[in-house]
Amino acid sequence: SAVISQKPSRDICQRGTSLTIQCQVDSQVTMMFWYRQQPGQSLTLIATANQGSEATYESGFVIDKFPISRPNLTFSTLTVSNLSPEDSSIYLCSAKVRLGDRGRDEQYFGPGTRLTVT
Amino acid sequence: KQEVTQIPAALSVPEGENLVLNCSFTDSAIYNLQWFRQDPGKGLTSLLLIQSSQREQTSGRLNASLDKSSGRSTLYIAASQPGDSATYLCAVRSTGTASKLTFGTGTRLQVTL
Repeated sequence: SAVISQKPSRDICQRGTSLTIQCQVDSQVTMMFWYRQQPGQSLTLIATANQGSEATYESGFVIDKFPISRPNLTFSTLTVSNLSPEDSSIYLCSAKVRLGDRGRDEQYFGPGTRLTVT
Repeated sequence: KQEVTQIPAALSVPEGENLVLNCSFTDSAIYNLQWFRQDPGKGLTSLLLIQSSQREQTSGRLNASLDKSSGRSTLYIAASQPGDSATYLCAVRSTGTASKLTFGTGTRLQVTL
């Protein structure tokens, strides 16, 4: 399996500020993703983080609001900008990892970052 | 567009009972299907992954089945324990968008003593 770490685990931020979340994977990564989980809801894909190039955003998500970096294969950051109370959610990093003994990719998730905007 | 639905939304069972969670998806052109567990306020733990060519996967007390043609998967939990209490999420990776998982709405399970 793979271990994905995220930091911070939680934060309380003021309206108008920004929060940057870091994600580190300990295994051979094929792809990295960022998801949002709003209270009581399932997961929604924000974007696919591409190494060395701009992320691929899903409908409804834009780079100005959610800038993403991925400087190397196993590390990525998500920034949530110009925070409003509607951004209060859990943000999860995810990675597809190539499992050599099984010859296939499996997707793993980090523990999430719980963001509260006041 | 793939849509994934899970029934029931919530379930409460006494300890020791066997139970089945259901997942249905609208587009049968899938690459694989994955079951996850999420504890309150936590991330996701992968439980089982079924490739489109497979019918079922087993891990301990868990058994997941896949009927691709009918767009259904079930997660069977044998001899449930209080530690099984969590939200269970089904996610489908469609062939058209092989890199993206589409998540279901989840089933919140409570196993009581």
